Amino acid sequence: DADVTQTPRNRITKTGKRIMLECSQTKGHDRMYWYRQDPGLGLRLIYYSFDVKDINKGEISDGYSVSRQAQAKFSLSLESAIPNQTALYFCATSDPGGYETQYFGPGTRLLVL
Amino acid sequence: SQKIEQNSEALNIQEGKTATLTCNYTNYSPAYLQWYRQDPGRGPVFLLLIRENEKEKRKERLKVTFDTTLKQSLFHITASQPADSATYLCALLSGGYNKLIFGAGTRLAVHP
Repeated sequence: DADVTQTPRNRITKTGKRIMLECSQTKGHDRMYWYRQDPGLGLRLIYYSFDVKDINKGEISDGYSVSRQAQAKFSLSLESAIPNQTALYFCATSDPGGYETQYFGPGTRLLVL
Repeated sequence: SQKIEQNSEALNIQEGKTATLTCNYTNYSPAYLQWYRQDPGRGPVFLLLIRENEKEKRKERLKVTFDTTLKQSLFHITASQPADSATYLCALLSGGYNKLIFGAGTRLAVHP
């Protein structure tokens, strides 16, 4: 089984709807991240969490929120989706003893109409 | 501000040749640099890490160099194969934040 899983893999929603993207990991890492990827812009950090009680904003957190339910679970919510949130979303984990090498999930492709 | 630049144009090469990709950075003094491979519709996969005190690192057909004076890393794939076609991302640790900052990536296409 994959070490980092994301659900759903694809999602189409309408403007104004609230949606949640979920991430689970079996790597036993404390650190988890949410990124979005847009063509030509690369990966941009939305939120990150270094342990269950630690949540931090990344460079593009506006319009998003997160919840760290357990060491293994980190969810991303779009409170009121808008079309410019259409993107590919990735969850990742890292081990601080491993130079912050990131282990990525398969991604969620989100389309906001 | 801190910036990472990778060539946005795709690199097209013939099978068997050496592919060389460039990562330039400004306003950083990173302790190390990482390279990832990303296939379409998939998450990036870690390939190699090089520390600031290492000039060169090798792994099978891959070679990475790190020039802290030029603020540049080069990523080489020797004897390239069509299966090497992918987008390659470089990443640096953001100073003081313990997080990686990624470049936008360069797409490599290896033609038979």
